Amino acid sequence: DAGVIQSPRHEVTEMGQEVTLRCKPISGHNSLFWYRQTMMRGLELLIYFNNNVPIDDSGMPEDRFSAKMPNASFSTLKIQPSEPRDSAVYFCASSLARPRGLAGSTDTQYFGPGTRLTVL
Amino acid sequence: QKEVEQNSGPLSVPEGAIASLNCTYSDRGSQSFFWYRQYSGKSPELIMSIYSNGDKEDGRFTAQLNKASQYVSLLIRDSQPSDSATYLCAVSQKTSYDKVIFGPGTSLSVIP
Repeated sequence: DAGVIQSPRHEVTEMGQEVTLRCKPISGHNSLFWYRQTMMRGLELLIYFNNNVPIDDSGMPEDRFSAKMPNASFSTLKIQPSEPRDSAVYFCASSLARPRGLAGSTDTQYFGPGTRLTVL
Repeated sequence: QKEVEQNSGPLSVPEGAIASLNCTYSDRGSQSFFWYRQYSGKSPELIMSIYSNGDKEDGRFTAQLNKASQYVSLLIRDSQPSDSATYLCAVSQKTSYDKVIFGPGTSLSVIP
């Protein structure tokens, strides 16, 4: 069974260029998360989708970042224009959200392999 | 105060010893707690989840939770070199959904 798929695995670009990261969640999962990981800030949630709808985008750093989920099997994270401080590993994760109120029901998140972004 | 705190390490233990990893959190309403393992250059992988006070054992791993002290720990018995990794503590916050906040991670090195 395929896990979360991300592409590209590595991206090197120059400051000012547009970057698009892609994610395919695990089939049947209804929640999708984009995270960014750096040495300084650790693993930060950027945006959370449930049933393709953005629920929490409070972690998106600024207007240069945007994310979409046009269907249940695909999501993109776009940075335009990119800056050197955007250099990080970007992870996509998916989970199967169960009904709220169920004790201990926080859902296991499965992470993709990540995209290592370097902005020169 | 950071929402989830961990000793950054690195923590070094000899092979066969017990490794003890600690985590504190600030949100008293948190209900779910997780330990993820992340090998260098890889993605985080869930190894333990715990929801109730006390201990939960899974093979060589034991998670301990004390909600009154806002403290969660992970013990690794009979540590192996393959356990060398960064361990991320994660805690759910009750917002409009079960938002998971990750700690900065503790780097563990098991010395043969």
